[in-house]
Amino acid sequence: DAGITQSPRHKVTETGTPVTLRCHQTENHRYMYWYRQDPGHGLRLIHYSYGVKDTDKGEVSDGYSVSRSKTEDFLLTLESATSSQTSVYFCAISAPPSYEQYFGPGTRLTVT
Amino acid sequence: AQSVTQLGSHVSVSEGALVLLRCNYSSSVPPYLFWYVQYPNQGLQLLLKYTSAATLVKGINGFEAEFKKSETSFHLTKPSAHMSDAAEYFCAVTSFGNEKLTFGTGTRLTIIP
Repeated sequence: DAGITQSPRHKVTETGTPVTLRCHQTENHRYMYWYRQDPGHGLRLIHYSYGVKDTDKGEVSDGYSVSRSKTEDFLLTLESATSSQTSVYFCAISAPPSYEQYFGPGTRLTVT
Repeated sequence: AQSVTQLGSHVSVSEGALVLLRCNYSSSVPPYLFWYVQYPNQGLQLLLKYTSAATLVKGINGFEAEFKKSETSFHLTKPSAHMSDAAEYFCAVTSFGNEKLTFGTGTRLTIIP
């Protein structure tokens, strides 16, 4: 299995509070991704990174920001959590020239 | 823009029966196609991939998929279902030079004993 960990694995937070999710990889892969998974929507890309300090938006980036200061870590921040951000969040990594992505175990976030 | 459509959000088959999960894609350039499996409370695991080599692709756990350009399809099959195949399956598409995958909405497979 690809060395990808996510922390925390579960979190319950209140509306309006900031939340940061961490993705850590030991594979030295260039690309890292954050997705959210919701019933009926599959996986939707939030943000991705193609190198240290190089990030770009995905299809559902509103309300989220990311940072990547080291190859191995990719952080997802909800500046002010809302109930619509209750979801399961997955991190993934990939390395060109392969296009396949490897996924972490996920973080279940509940915003009350 | 690229997209995939998975027909049937829920599929049930009897143990030992053929598994067929449908995926149709839309892409203006030659696609690369993937099937992933997700077991409960886990991340996604790659089952197989098509990247313009052989059109019949074999994956793990006895699954295979055939790329059919004329039908814009990449259906996933397994000759004989096992109870352990119960999971959610996702089809995904990308293309050369595009490091982002676009996922379908998933198909939940239930195996009837």
